[in-house]
Amino acid sequence: EPEVTQTPSHQVTQMGQEVILRCVPISNHLYFYWYRQILGQKVEFLVSFYNNEISEKSEIFDDQFSVERPDGSNFTLKIRSTKLEDSAMYFCASERDKYSPLHFGNGTRLTVT
Amino acid sequence: DAKTTQPNSMESNEEEPVHLPCNHSTISGTDYIHWYRQLPSQGPEYVIHGLTSNVNNRMASLAIAEDRKSSTLILHRATLRDAAVYYCILRLGMNRDDKIIFGKGTRLHILP
Repeated sequence: EPEVTQTPSHQVTQMGQEVILRCVPISNHLYFYWYRQILGQKVEFLVSFYNNEISEKSEIFDDQFSVERPDGSNFTLKIRSTKLEDSAMYFCASERDKYSPLHFGNGTRLTVT
Repeated sequence: DAKTTQPNSMESNEEEPVHLPCNHSTISGTDYIHWYRQLPSQGPEYVIHGLTSNVNNRMASLAIAEDRKSSTLILHRATLRDAAVYYCILRLGMNRDDKIIFGKGTRLHILP
């Protein structure tokens, strides 16, 4: 069964550094998402992406965050200048259409020191 | 986003059925009822969804009340691998901007 893959599984970075989290959604899917989960807390929506543009973003997704689908297969989340509070699990998800289930990757654990 | 209410945690014995309740009294006529779960150290995973009729798949069954103000996820024979946080979510399903929003869910403990 096709799956959403995320790399790396764990990323450690210093405060103020830029990070790029990578995702390969399922190939025939059209809608893409990033979520995050701070340790011990609930899964939070960050951003949705469709037709090469952001559909919606949450309050968390400020100017330090950006997303890109550079080549038709990858879907990336960039954090320009990481803060300690950005430490979390980041999940990528995709779906074929709005009536289909959302498929999640297993996440990238970002640790900002 | 429409709101759902779930118990914080539940316990069940291995190999017994589990009924996970969800209340959604403000559900609208076009909201689908979705269930996802999150196993430890993994991303959320789709379980099942329905609109009005009860639904069955290989993972679980979804029983939807006639007035649609509540639903129950049924795991027919729980295993230790079913220990997870289960999320009941309402989703409009037709709007391009619609998205899945997670609440706190129910943490299901399975006792051997």
